[in-house]
Amino acid sequence: NAGVTQTPKFQVLKTGQSMTLQCAQDMNHEYMSWYRQDPGMGLRLIHYSVGAGITDQGEVPNGYNVSRSTTEDFPLRLLSAAPSQTSVYFCASSDIWTVDGYTFGSGTRLTVV
Amino acid sequence: RKEVEQDPGPFNVPEGATVAFNCTYSNSASQSFFWYRQDCRKEPKLLMSVYSSGNEDGRFTAQLNRASQYISLLIRDSKLSDSATYLCVVTSSGGRRALTFGSGTRLQVQP
Repeated sequence: NAGVTQTPKFQVLKTGQSMTLQCAQDMNHEYMSWYRQDPGMGLRLIHYSVGAGITDQGEVPNGYNVSRSTTEDFPLRLLSAAPSQTSVYFCASSDIWTVDGYTFGSGTRLTVV
Repeated sequence: RKEVEQDPGPFNVPEGATVAFNCTYSNSASQSFFWYRQDCRKEPKLLMSVYSSGNEDGRFTAQLNRASQYISLLIRDSKLSDSATYLCVVTSSGGRRALTFGSGTRLQVQP
């Protein structure tokens, strides 16, 4: 099984550019989420989804949009990149009916210059 | 105050040592608790869930004290391969199921 697949692994953007970080899972998980990880701050929740067509904001949603048109995919869009969005982004998924932990993708390292 | 607080370390221990990490959480409604392991520049991976009765997985023992809102992880007979950052993680109540992460405790096991 592929698990959770994130693309791209690395990206450099110029300030003001837009882009989409892709996340796909093949485990039929209802719950998917996006986190960013900055040095010394741990992982912070950006957006999450409990199923196709349902999304909600997390702790740090500003500057990001998400959509969930299928169970498998949960893309994260940066509308107008800013240097403050330089971070490592992780997508994670889980079965909504269990109390098990999440499965994470391998991450996207984004630098905004 | 952070929702989940951990000592950032680093904890530098020799091989074979026993080391303990602690974590406190502020939301008394938190329902599920986990320890994750994160290697440098990699994604977090679930190490173990934490139950009120305490649970053990080989050299690893986790404890939860709901009254004190405190979670611990004990690693016995440390190996070089245990060197990593250990993340304390809790979930909130209700349907959101979001994970709240501590900043992590770095462990360096030395030969």
